[in-house]
Amino acid sequence: KAGVTQTPRYLIKTRGQQVTLSCSPISGHRSVSWYQQTPGQGLQFLFEYFSETQRNKGNFPGRFSGRQFSNSRSEMNVSTLELGDSALYLCASKTGDTQYFGPGTRLTVL
Amino acid sequence: GENVEQHPSTLSVQEGDSAVIKCTYSDSASNYFPWYKQELGKRPQLIIDIRSNVGEKKDQRIAVTLNKTAKHFSLHITETQPEDSAVYFCAASKPGGSYIPTFGRGTSLIVHP
Repeated sequence: KAGVTQTPRYLIKTRGQQVTLSCSPISGHRSVSWYQQTPGQGLQFLFEYFSETQRNKGNFPGRFSGRQFSNSRSEMNVSTLELGDSALYLCASKTGDTQYFGPGTRLTVL
Repeated sequence: GENVEQHPSTLSVQEGDSAVIKCTYSDSASNYFPWYKQELGKRPQLIIDIRSNVGEKKDQRIAVTLNKTAKHFSLHITETQPEDSAVYFCAASKPGGSYIPTFGRGTSLIVHP
């Protein structure tokens, strides 16, 4: 099976703009989670979608939102970008207990 | 909610030495403990996992041990090689597919040739 894929791999935006990231899970996986990774901060959980519904949510402001489509593909949106949003955004699809990560989208906010 | 503490944050060893990374968790209901390896610029990859009905699991040079009573689990890497250099994350998860694993903050392992 193909692994988790994410597009785009790299993005450069300026403060105030918005951005949409995309994640395609492993075929058959219905759960997709999003994480923000910054140096020294580990993996910070944003939210999880399962069958098009947000099932779990982390502690991030409302500028961070997501959705999931009927084919389990998921998008994450960040509005009104801030410099501190520069990070690697990872998505992971899950079957049972085990998560499998995508390669990430490196977002740089200037 | 669950809290996972991981130590040390940085571990430097000589090639051929053993490395041990330790994690503690707070929720006794957690029963699944995966370990991920993230090489520089790459995605976290699952390298080994253990469930609470097992005390130890081995896969070649890596092993994980679990002490449910003390609520801690450890990753052991023997005969370390430079390619083992990476950030390692532990995680704990409760049963049932609706739970998201809680991750430790990561350990940067450096293996010196």
